[in-house]
Amino acid sequence: QQQVKQSPQSLIVQKGGISIINCAYENTAFDYFPWYQQFPGKGPALLIAIRPDVSEKKEGRFTISFNKSAKQFSLHIMDSQPGDSATYFCAAGFSGNTPLVFGKGTRLSVIA
Amino acid sequence: GAVVSQHPSWVICKSGTSVKIECRSLDFQATTMFWYRQFPKQSLMLMATSNEGSKATYEQGVEKDKFLINHASLTLSTLTVTSAHPEDSSFYICSAPGALATGELFFGEGSRLTVL
Repeated sequence: QQQVKQSPQSLIVQKGGISIINCAYENTAFDYFPWYQQFPGKGPALLIAIRPDVSEKKEGRFTISFNKSAKQFSLHIMDSQPGDSATYFCAAGFSGNTPLVFGKGTRLSVIA
Repeated sequence: GAVVSQHPSWVICKSGTSVKIECRSLDFQATTMFWYRQFPKQSLMLMATSNEGSKATYEQGVEKDKFLINHASLTLSTLTVTSAHPEDSSFYICSAPGALATGELFFGEGSRLTVL
């Protein structure tokens, strides 16, 4: 059972454009929804995270939109840059010392 | 943010040998650590939860006798792949929750295992 579904699998965006990645979750008990960025051969790094009591969170060029009723959340990367080219994973989890469940990842390529 | 360090970053071994991967929390204590495995172009799959002072708990389908986990101290967890085979070749990544227990996990840089 896949608890977190992520789309698209891959994405190509022009430099300066907006990258949008979507995720849907099943377990309504989740209360922590992070996005991780991973470069080849490296461990994932936290990009931005949101909790279900907030509908949107923005940090610099990165924004999470959260729709609790639809059980969906998305990552928007504004003014996408070639340096943003990486694999992005959404995840879901709980407060406390518990593991995260990851989506399958989106490979983003930002072309000049 | 909290720093998690893994060693080695890559290792090549012969089939049938054992390999140990270390995961350290450098500036915080971690009573719990999580070990994930990632195959090429795939997602992170949880293998096991490492608990300081007690036995690790393994996810369904993960052989506990093959993937030995020892949480020796509040800052060190080790994963030993015993009698490694080519199908064990993968990217192994450890992570630890931060002290505030917000749900955030801090990940190590990963260890690339290649079994010949």
